[in-house]
Amino acid sequence: IAGITQAPTSQILAAGRRMTLRCTQDMRHNAMYWYRQDLGLGLRLIHYSNTAGTTGKGEVPDGYSVSRANTDDFPLTLASAVPSQTSVYFCASSDSNQGYNEQFFGPGTRLTVL
Amino acid sequence: GQNIDQPTEMTATEGAIVQINCTYQTSGFNGLFWYQQHAGEAPTFLSYNVLDGLEEKGRFSSFLSRSKGYSYLLLKELQMKDSASYLCAPMDSNYQLIWGAGTKLIIKP
Repeated sequence: IAGITQAPTSQILAAGRRMTLRCTQDMRHNAMYWYRQDLGLGLRLIHYSNTAGTTGKGEVPDGYSVSRANTDDFPLTLASAVPSQTSVYFCASSDSNQGYNEQFFGPGTRLTVL
Repeated sequence: GQNIDQPTEMTATEGAIVQINCTYQTSGFNGLFWYQQHAGEAPTFLSYNVLDGLEEKGRFSSFLSRSKGYSYLLLKELQMKDSASYLCAPMDSNYQLIWGAGTKLIIKP
């Protein structure tokens, strides 16, 4: 692995189903983030984690949950998907301990909820 | 509240110069990032400003005025591959990036 990866690349999901989006980084970054990006809107932060074992809510956390069991992995779970969760999801990571928070992004997951 | 304002779309000609402006209001300020995002791809880092003034990096330059809550990205010698969205993202007092909706730049031959 080089950098940050996400899986799946794309997914079509029936409403009401449970779905986990996976994110893994190999840069040993302390901080990780989940964003959604919708047409005409900026990246919106769903959840973040400043270090393994801790998570926090972003701007649009409802309907999503995360966990950070170790440094490398930061899965995002939709417990019961709804059509409004159709979006492109980006995972990002950064070494935020230096006071310089350049974020590195994964390739994204395109999710369609029908 | 926190707010980022940048133009939705701009058009420029290959070989020309274009300036993309960004004004922001954030709770505290710890620097400002510019990212480039090609259609269907992830954002990638372009520049970072924390002090007032101009930072030059090849064909791209970024300017910051903290007192005015203003930044711009200057792209010179435009190439077709520069067609992309450009995202302005100031960092607030919690070191969280606040993202603008981005400016879609269209380059014409």
